[in-house]
Amino acid sequence: AQKITQTQPGMFVQEKEAVTLDCTYDTSDPSYGLFWYKQPSSGEMIFLIYQGSYDQQNATEGRYSLNFQKARKSANLVISASQLGDSAMYFCAMREDYNTDKLIFGTGTRLQVFP
Amino acid sequence: DSGVTQTPKHLITATGQRVTLRCSPRSGDLSVYWYQQSLDQGLQFLIQYYNGEERAKGNILERFSAQQFPDLHSELNLSSLELGDSALYFCASSVGLQGRRDNEQFFGPGTRLTVL
Repeated sequence: AQKITQTQPGMFVQEKEAVTLDCTYDTSDPSYGLFWYKQPSSGEMIFLIYQGSYDQQNATEGRYSLNFQKARKSANLVISASQLGDSAMYFCAMREDYNTDKLIFGTGTRLQVFP
Repeated sequence: DSGVTQTPKHLITATGQRVTLRCSPRSGDLSVYWYQQSLDQGLQFLIQYYNGEERAKGNILERFSAQQFPDLHSELNLSSLELGDSALYFCASSVGLQGRRDNEQFFGPGTRLTVL
């Protein structure tokens, strides 16, 4: 069965430093999509970045980049130049099945950025 | 702002009651998804509708039902509420074209349900 694993319940990073949030996945489907969402304390889910399983290059969106290692089944999120506003929960998700497009989520990582 | 709207933002009710959560997708999106976020279960997919038809079901209880109307807004009905139904309920929408790169899901702000 498809599964997403985030092994870091919490991470700390100093402002302006880079941080990597880990995500590993398990699927037997050769075609899948991987997503990262940010959930600030206000509760909304904010889409950050997407990586398709057939994409040749790692996805980047501004300060966010995805370190996609297909053979290792990992899709780590890298946030460069951390800002105080980056403090939030971060969820990795996988699009499980192209027939439904439903997402399965990891348990999340709480990132705290300190000055 | 994702463009997905959900009402109400907060809902407090008693056990045994029935509530309806409403979602309006982004303009042009045909697919609507409902997710439940609770402390013990995390974020779980409940159900998906595409252009008015049910497309997929997740771990949705029989006490819960949903529908998508011709104008594409969706409602999630929760009945015979129990304490364990207290959670944040998200609606998300997408273009709904399977396998397309641009089929990312955009989430609404959520409805926080508290069952007392």
